Amino acid sequence: AQTVTQSQPEMSVQEAETVTLSCTYDTSESDYYLFWYKQPPSRQMILVIRQEAYKQQNATENRFSVNFQKAAKSFSLKISDSQLGDAAMYFCAYRSPNFGNEKLTFGTGTRLTIIP
Amino acid sequence: DGGITQSPKYLFRKEGQNVTLSCEQNLNHDAMYWYRQDPGQGLRLIYYSQIVNDFQKGDIAEGYSVSREKKESFPLTVTSAQKNPTAFYLCASSGTRYGYTFGSGTRLTVV
Repeated sequence: AQTVTQSQPEMSVQEAETVTLSCTYDTSESDYYLFWYKQPPSRQMILVIRQEAYKQQNATENRFSVNFQKAAKSFSLKISDSQLGDAAMYFCAYRSPNFGNEKLTFGTGTRLTIIP
Repeated sequence: DGGITQSPKYLFRKEGQNVTLSCEQNLNHDAMYWYRQDPGQGLRLIYYSQIVNDFQKGDIAEGYSVSREKKESFPLTVTSAQKNPTAFYLCASSGTRYGYTFGSGTRLTVV
């Protein structure tokens, strides 16, 4: 079974600065998908960014980018120019590509605080 | 607009009662999921369904039951066998490799 580990329960960053959230995972599969989700105080889950394991290029979405290290099974999220609206819980998630096993496995989350 | 509707937003259960959480989607997604969220534990999978009339246990299925009689609906029943049901419950659906849509959740409290 796959596992996802987020070792930073809480992080804080000054507004406009850059912060990196860590995620590691364990799997025996060679192809899979990785995601970062944001959960603001409203508790709505919002997709931030996704990465296909077969792609070597790191995904980017505006101020959000990932550092995907497949051999190390590491998938960190970098938030540049942090904004107050970035304050939320962030969850790393893993998904198998196999039909019938497409459920998401989540890490325990990192609570990000933005300091004005 | 397409999406997932969970109801109610807040639910209170007395000891020994069964309660049912509703999840409806109009996205034409085949797969639907139920997750439980507790502080410090992330989201844990309760049950999932890939097609109508079929569903699979997730990691923490004990004390829960589901049905999938229609593609659009995937209700979750929290039975009296679930000893610690107070939690936030999220429903989700997916129709592609990437597309995972979440509902807004139901907060269940035992009183």
